[in-house]
Amino acid sequence: RKEVEQDPGPFNVPEGATVAFNCTYSNSASQSFFWYRQDCRKEPKLLMSVYSSGNEDGRFTAQLNRASQYISLLIRDSKLSDSATYLCVVTSWRAGGTSYGKLTFGQGTILTVHP
Amino acid sequence: DGGITQSPKYLFRKEGQNVTLSCEQNLNHDAMYWYRQDPGQGLRLIYYSQIVNDFQKGDIAEGYSVSREKKESFPLTVTSAQKNPTAFYLCASLAGPGELFFGEGSRLTVL
Repeated sequence: RKEVEQDPGPFNVPEGATVAFNCTYSNSASQSFFWYRQDCRKEPKLLMSVYSSGNEDGRFTAQLNRASQYISLLIRDSKLSDSATYLCVVTSWRAGGTSYGKLTFGQGTILTVHP
Repeated sequence: DGGITQSPKYLFRKEGQNVTLSCEQNLNHDAMYWYRQDPGQGLRLIYYSQIVNDFQKGDIAEGYSVSREKKESFPLTVTSAQKNPTAFYLCASLAGPGELFFGEGSRLTVL
């Protein structure tokens, strides 16, 4: 089983739609969670962190369910510019609590928003 | 401007040759990472490093080697032992918890 798995996608949605992605992780000791966005043939960029209590950033909402070991990303009122690959990231920090360690990416979910 | 510089951007190599990909950062970040991305795939971790002269194997280290002689530099060598080296290689440094700052990547093609 892969450490981090995402919905296979691709997702094709019209402008204005609401779309949700899920990501499951296998290591129950994982400590931090993030969503990244990657445009075609570009490097990934951090979209948002995922907190246990859930968090919003404009049209984007991220949630974490530790009991079921999954994270989710909800995009409301989709825009054409949201078309990209969305990657979830799970981290395991080294002993001692330093903010450094292994960051594991899911395989990504492709989103295409059409007019 | 601060950032991560990867070179070369495109590289072609014959089978059996070693090749070294450069990664330089002027962000004063301690931790640096190398990932590989294949078409339609996510990123897979090759090596990562916290400080000078320290580095750890990632999930797919076989056929690769790294060095960290300076804080600013984390070069990756793709050796002839790597069976499928054609890929997009991304170097990153850690700006904060979970926040990787990536270079623009190097595309390696083996002929």
